[in-house]
Amino acid sequence: AQKITQTQPGMFVQEKEAVTLDCTYDTSDPSYGLFWYKQPSSGEMIFLIYQGSYDQQNATEGRYSLNFQKARKSANLVISASQLGDSAMYFCAMREIGTGNQFYFGTGTSLTVIP
Amino acid sequence: GAGVSQSPSNKVTEKGKDVELRCDPISGHTALYWYRQSLGQGLEFLIYFQGNSAPDKSGLPSDRFSAERTGGSVSTLTIQRTQQEDSAVYLCASSLESRVSGEQYFGPGTRLTVT
Repeated sequence: AQKITQTQPGMFVQEKEAVTLDCTYDTSDPSYGLFWYKQPSSGEMIFLIYQGSYDQQNATEGRYSLNFQKARKSANLVISASQLGDSAMYFCAMREIGTGNQFYFGTGTSLTVIP
Repeated sequence: GAGVSQSPSNKVTEKGKDVELRCDPISGHTALYWYRQSLGQGLEFLIYFQGNSAPDKSGLPSDRFSAERTGGSVSTLTIQRTQQEDSAVYLCASSLESRVSGEQYFGPGTRLTVT
């Protein structure tokens, strides 16, 4: 079974609008971390936001927030007030403490911001 | 401080030749990961080093691929008898392994082209 599932291969959003990128995960480990990375066309992987499995509140970092629904095993990324520079690939990832801190990545979502 | 560095940034090789890709992780990071990313695709896990433990080699696609990490720092990924399907960007990342919240820091990647 896939550890991380991103079901949206491509998304479009109007500039200044909010967009939600979906991510579901599969784990039986009670201790895990969820991450989102951005990969612009230049290729570098940029860390955006982190959510721990024991965190009570949703993580936020500037215009990024993580909609963490533990019971549904969902960790969607919300980008508010989209900017043209947000156009990139976005990857969801999970790290399980029980498997020696291995990272698992989803297949990514390509986001295009339309002016 | 210095981030993760990789060399070379680009490598063109003939089919059948061996190549070595180098990764210098962030100082003090005990976890090191190698991934492969084909054009327009997600990250494919290759191998993971954690401190002095035996590496997790479960992602290596064939016995032509090997990696080592000397002195708990620099890592070399070796591909023997390269094939055209080995053409991809090879990404290295390091992480503080002691915390599940420790995000990965990625290097700029090595773009390998096998002709």
